[in-house]
Amino acid sequence: DSGVTQTPKHLITATGQRVTLRCSPRSGDLSVYWYQQSLDQGLQFLIQYYNGEERAKGNILERFSAQQFPDLHSELNLSSLELGDSALYFCASSVATGVTNSPLHFGNGTRLTVT
Amino acid sequence: GESVGLHLPTLSVQEGDNSIINCAYSNSASDYFIWYKQESGKGPQFIIDIRSNMDKRQGQRVTVLLNKTVKHLSLQIAATQPGDSAVYFCAENYSPSGGYQKVTFGTGTKLQVIP
Repeated sequence: DSGVTQTPKHLITATGQRVTLRCSPRSGDLSVYWYQQSLDQGLQFLIQYYNGEERAKGNILERFSAQQFPDLHSELNLSSLELGDSALYFCASSVATGVTNSPLHFGNGTRLTVT
Repeated sequence: GESVGLHLPTLSVQEGDNSIINCAYSNSASDYFIWYKQESGKGPQFIIDIRSNMDKRQGQRVTVLLNKTVKHLSLQIAATQPGDSAVYFCAENYSPSGGYQKVTFGTGTKLQVIP
């Protein structure tokens, strides 16, 4: 168990809808990362937060947005969903003290199916 | 952290043989490197890491080699077992400033162990 919790585990919705994916990082971790993984593909970086502030953006669509709250949990909002948005969405967290790098700890993902 | 969305290369290995998975990284300023294992339906899990002041690190049945001259990382798995079948990702970490780290993932390699 990585200590990172993602909810829901599965989500099935229709095109055009909006969904919110939730992530609780490991206790003490300040950084949260979101990744998208399509079938048999690599990890596509979406966005990174550190202690509530956005730190880096990857190939995140304008229809997608995220935030990290004061209690450090994070939400990824996906709107105007398209069939191609169907994928596994992973959240990861790390301590990231800036003094010593640390590995990312991943949740088990939310599987989004858009029909 | 970004990775290219290509279909994964596959390495097939006979059970009991040694496996070598290779990775080229891009940023010469990266100072921390990690290998992750992703089993089907799960999030990537930390296997082993290495800092840039080292060129080799050993764990239980796994060894990571770092060649900074050619920006190459490899993961060696001794006596490969069926449970080692998974997708393996390398990641390079760079800490520009401000207490957070920039993580870039490789494209991933699928390891298939033949019984």
